[in-house]
Amino acid sequence: AQSVTQLGSHVSVSEGALVLLRCNYSSSVPPYLFWYVQYPNQGLQLLLKYTSAATLVKGINGFEAEFKKSETSFHLTKPSAHMSDAAEYFCAVSLSYNNNDMRFGAGTRLTVKP
Amino acid sequence: NAGVTQTPKFQVLKTGQSMTLQCAQDMNHNSMYWYRQDPGMGLRLIYYSASEGTTDKGEVPNGYNVSRLNKREFSLRLESAAPSQTSVYFCASTRSKTSAPLEQYFGPGTRLTVT
Repeated sequence: AQSVTQLGSHVSVSEGALVLLRCNYSSSVPPYLFWYVQYPNQGLQLLLKYTSAATLVKGINGFEAEFKKSETSFHLTKPSAHMSDAAEYFCAVSLSYNNNDMRFGAGTRLTVKP
Repeated sequence: NAGVTQTPKFQVLKTGQSMTLQCAQDMNHNSMYWYRQDPGMGLRLIYYSASEGTTDKGEVPNGYNVSRLNKREFSLRLESAAPSQTSVYFCASTRSKTSAPLEQYFGPGTRLTVT
């Protein structure tokens, strides 16, 4: 079965600094990959998804992620952090169209310091 | 357009009590899901319903039952609550499509404590 590992349960950056959140997956076949964001006391919102159309995926709020098959990675980046980016971020992997086998990572909490 | 709504927002149960968590979506989505979120473990799928009238087990179904009441509503029932079911429960929905996976839309969650 597929799985996801997020390296670092907590990441802290200064406002304006680069954001890098790491995600590695394991899968026997090319997967579909997602990044979701969760703000305090809310449900998850989709940031971006990889569905094999392009390896560099751009999402909302200035985030992007690059699919690297050789490294089995799908790291999330943003060039310049904003205070409003403080949230928990989840990487997820699915092998099916209907997401009934979706597996989420444990999450990375991003703190942005002024 | 409210999206995905869940009731209640908070609930405290005693061990052995039962309750039903309600979920409704107004986006005309075919598929609906129930997840639980525990610290350090991300979200885990409990049950899902690919379409009205069908339900299937997910990764952690033990201790739960579900009902897809109609296209809009998908409820989760705990027949005899246990402390291990203390968690935050999220309902989600998506428009089914055969050519590519679509994003899931999540409700605000129900925070359940079992004492």
